Amino acid sequence: EDQVTQSPEALRLQEGESSSLNCSYTVSGLRGLFWYRQDPGKGPEFLFTLYSAGEEKEKERLKATLTKKESFLHITAPKPEDSATYLCAVQTLTQGGSEKLVFGKGTKLTVNP
Amino acid sequence: NAGVTQTPKFQVLKTGQSMTLQCAQDMNHEYMSWYRQDPGMGLRLIHYSVGAGITDQGEVPNGYNVSRSTTEDFPLRLLSAAPSQTSVYFCASSLAFGNTIYFGEGSWLTVV
Repeated sequence: EDQVTQSPEALRLQEGESSSLNCSYTVSGLRGLFWYRQDPGKGPEFLFTLYSAGEEKEKERLKATLTKKESFLHITAPKPEDSATYLCAVQTLTQGGSEKLVFGKGTKLTVNP
Repeated sequence: NAGVTQTPKFQVLKTGQSMTLQCAQDMNHEYMSWYRQDPGMGLRLIHYSVGAGITDQGEVPNGYNVSRSTTEDFPLRLLSAAPSQTSVYFCASSLAFGNTIYFGEGSWLTVV
């Protein structure tokens, strides 16, 4: 069964304290991996798409990396406005040949000033 | 540019009532989908559509109907609401499956 596991479930950081969020996956065939940010009471907001192992993408204080089994979202010198839930989703193929998107449960990040 | 617009934002239903969650996008996207988000669970796909006139079931389709008469609109119908359908519902669209998915702001539904 295709699974996407995010860890930790929750993370508290002090402003400026860098850390990483993990997204590990077990899928039959990876087509792409997506990172989203979700603020309370809002819909998920797209951050990155990664397609192949070794790929990296950056946006401001965020950097996403991908290996064959997991992805990391590195947060460098975070600010309070980075507080949100970060979602990981993996695009994969079903046995019938159609594509599906499997979401992890998310990591809730809190950055204290 | 409005993106993906969902209505209503909040709704309380009694068990057995029916209702429709509206979703519209103005980006000319072919792929549209409905997800539900429950505490402690990831987003789960209810139904999706790859274009006008074409719909298919996702992971948790029971109790829900959809139709896609136009490219822009993708309403989700609850036929006979049950407490288990209390959730936050998100409509999403993308140019095609696998492209960047844009989500609406969500609809909070409570069934009592």
